[in-house]
Amino acid sequence: GAVVSQHPSRVICKSGTSVKIECRSLDFQATTMFWYRQFPKQSLMLMATSNEGSKATYEQGVEKDKFLINHASLTLSTLTVTSAHPEDSSFYICSATKGQGAGANVLTFGAGSRLTVL
Amino acid sequence: AQTVTQSQPEMSVQEAETVTLSCTYDTSENNYYLFWYKQPPSRQMILVIRQEAYKQQNATENRFSVNFQKAAKSFSLKISDSQLGDTAMYFCAFMKHSSGSRLTFGEGTQLTVNP
Repeated sequence: GAVVSQHPSRVICKSGTSVKIECRSLDFQATTMFWYRQFPKQSLMLMATSNEGSKATYEQGVEKDKFLINHASLTLSTLTVTSAHPEDSSFYICSATKGQGAGANVLTFGAGSRLTVL
Repeated sequence: AQTVTQSQPEMSVQEAETVTLSCTYDTSENNYYLFWYKQPPSRQMILVIRQEAYKQQNATENRFSVNFQKAAKSFSLKISDSQLGDTAMYFCAFMKHSSGSRLTFGEGTQLTVNP
């Protein structure tokens, strides 16, 4: 089956530093990847849609200069939280899809990354 | 814009019993997909079941089945013979056919299965 690997699973950083989270599709080519943010006991909030080879599409209210997304290959998307502050502490989840044909409605999720900013 | 509503923030059920989680949605689309995802304490999102709107037959996956009422825009999940491992947050989700795989999630229902 389709597998998505997300790394790191946990990261602690100091305020003002930048943190990169990777999302890799291990056994399929992901034309589209999505990044979500989840606060405790709440639903997943879509941050941005990442398409291979093009700029990410950000949801309203999400700062694109704060959350840099790169989708340089069909198997890797990265989310970089720049100049992190304590309010950026959250659980970040990625998902990936083949995006074509029967695979278009099938999303595979990464295991998530817990970011703590001190 | 689509909205998904789960009106039950928390539910509990005894092991081996049956429980139904509610979900309603609002859309003007005719072609779409509906999903139930499970998020256990590990936080890994797991697909439980998927329904295509053009199919009248309710989807079933082992102990999990849905009651899809398109006219009422209702999509409930029934879990039969509940097991302790079913304890998780359950999210109902909507995907428009032409949305590029973009999901809209409900608020979630925390299900606890008691021994």
